[in-house]
This record gives sequence, C-alpha cells and structure tokens, in this order.
Amino acid sequence: DVKVTQSSRYLVKRTGEKVFLECVQDMDHENMFWYRQDPGLGLRLIYFSYDVKMKEKGDIPEGYSVSREKKERFSLILESASTNQTSMYLCASSGQLWHGYTFGSGTRLTVV
Amino acid sequence: AQKVTQAQTEISVVEKEDVTLDCVYETRDTTYYLFWYKQPPSGELVFLIRRNSFDEQNEISGRYSWNFQKSTSSFNFTITASQVVDSAVYFCALRINNAGNMLTFGGGTRLMVKP
Repeated sequence: DVKVTQSSRYLVKRTGEKVFLECVQDMDHENMFWYRQDPGLGLRLIYFSYDVKMKEKGDIPEGYSVSREKKERFSLILESASTNQTSMYLCASSGQLWHGYTFGSGTRLTVV
Repeated sequence: AQKVTQAQTEISVVEKEDVTLDCVYETRDTTYYLFWYKQPPSGELVFLIRRNSFDEQNEISGRYSWNFQKSTSSFNFTITASQVVDSAVYFCALRINNAGNMLTFGGGTRLMVKP
C-alpha cells in the first residue's frame, strides 16, 4: 500500500524553537507539498517541490523553509516557531498530472 | 488563475437524507482534472474521485455520485441515503498542467450527518 508518512502526529514546541516536520513517501513521486490547515481558512500551500533540491514558494511561505535532499523526503522547517504557527500541517505527494495527491495523516503542531 | 469555490461551508442533515455538495471552478486551461477528497475527523485526506476535462460522464459509486457540467463549470457531489460515517469535511480540487502540478483546493464543506 502506497504511503506518505509524517513523522509526528502531535507536536508541542516552545516559541522560538526551530522545528522540523518530516515527510517521507514511498511512491517515487516527483512532486511533494506542504499545506497548513486552519479552521475557516481551508488548505493553504506553504511550499512545494517538483524535483530533488528544487523548491517553490506557495501562498504562505513566510516563517517557513523546506529541504528536499532526497526524492522521497520533504522537510518543513519553522526557523523560529511562533504561536501563530499552531496548526495542522499536511504533507502530500503526487506523480503525473492525472494523479491526485496522496496525503499523510497530518501533524498537529502546537506552539506555546 | 485557478479558483475553486465551495459555497457551502457547513451542511447538517439527518441520516438517510440525500445531500449534494456544490463545487464551482474557474480555469482558462482546456485540459484539467477535478478531484474530491474526504477528510474524516482522523485528519487524513482521502481521495474519492478524479475527472478529466474531456470526460463529462457522470459517475456513480455506491451511494456516491458526481455530476460534472462544463457548461456551468461545476462538479457536484451527491451522497444518497447519508450515514453518520459520511460526517467529514469534503474538499473539491482542480489541477492543471503547471510546475509541480499543484492542486487548487476549495475551502471545504463540513458535512454533519445526525442519527
């Protein structure tokens, strides 16, 4: 069964900490994505990557960075966590155009 | 630019009622794909259906059916005889051929099915 795995289901971090959210897919997909989901705001794209070492900003990249050193892994980095980054973070991967996304189960991050 | 609108933010029905979730999209591309995803309380988005822009046939899968109409740029989703397990947030999404092949999501519709 194909999978996108997010390393943590729940995470609590302190303001100012550097936070790493990891995402691994086993489908050899070129494209990977990070979204955050907040009540009333739907899914908002933070960053995406369409190849190893390639990254593109999404709609809300401020306060985040990403890393894609290997095809299967796409990491989201919060350089200095703030309380307004408390959210559900969803990773997804995708192959060809006609494919949809396969999503991970999400990481619910709380910044205190 | 692409846009997907799900005008219904929340719908509440009683079990066994039929319910239709609306989705309207905007794109200038002639080749595109439309999707529906379900997000149950557990959080993971689950793929339900894909439709390409050249195939306007409606589709039925059990209690689920989808109505794609290019003339009105709509891709509506109907659940027949709803059940409590259908309670979830449902997202409609659009994909065109661009860098990263990104999906543009609608804002989602929260469906609550009461026993």
